[in-house]
Amino acid sequence: NAGVTQTPKFQVLKTGQSMTLQCAQDMNHEYMSWYRQDPGMGLRLIHYSVGAGITDQGEVPNGYNVSRSTTEDFPLRLLSAAPSQTSVYFCASSSSRKAGNQPQHFGDGTRLSIL
Amino acid sequence: AQSVTQLGSHVSVSEGALVLLRCNYSSSVPPYLFWYVQYPNQGLQLLLKYTTGATLVKGINGFEAEFKKSETSFHLTKPSAHMSDAAEYFCAVRRGNSGGSNYKLTFGKGTLLTVNP
Repeated sequence: NAGVTQTPKFQVLKTGQSMTLQCAQDMNHEYMSWYRQDPGMGLRLIHYSVGAGITDQGEVPNGYNVSRSTTEDFPLRLLSAAPSQTSVYFCASSSSRKAGNQPQHFGDGTRLSIL
Repeated sequence: AQSVTQLGSHVSVSEGALVLLRCNYSSSVPPYLFWYVQYPNQGLQLLLKYTTGATLVKGINGFEAEFKKSETSFHLTKPSAHMSDAAEYFCAVRRGNSGGSNYKLTFGKGTLLTVNP
């Protein structure tokens, strides 16, 4: 049972480039989300999904797109990278969208630098 | 809307001393509360959670937290710090009712715990 798997672990981009951060979970969780972590800011929600075909914006969605074509995968796309998007990105998943008492399981993060 | 305030971005204790990490929340509905720990270059791991029932919650690694509704607090404690407890700790709140976006977590800004020998 791998849990939540994020790839790549590290990435350096140039301003204006695009890329996709991958996230996959093997726990059949309905709910998946993307956060960014910046020093002194905690974790801020970018986008989330309550099931295949359903996504919604979080606290800081600008500059990012998501899709959820399967239960397992929830990729995050940077359309045109900006230095302000330099951050550590975490994907998380949890079960049972009808009950908020389930904890979220986190991946190990993707460390992204935009030059 | 819901929010979390963690008092003290950095807490330093001696090995064997009491650990107290403070968390206050605001929520318009009964909350579900969580503490997560993050070790360097790793993701977040769940330490403990409060949903309903007993207000004193025990978690992994000897940590516990008490939900105090009247004080809107969920402070994390450990009687005796160990060097391996050095990490960043995050308090998080989630709406405690069904429907809508009840599964969205709001995190505090984190408290970095340093344990001195």
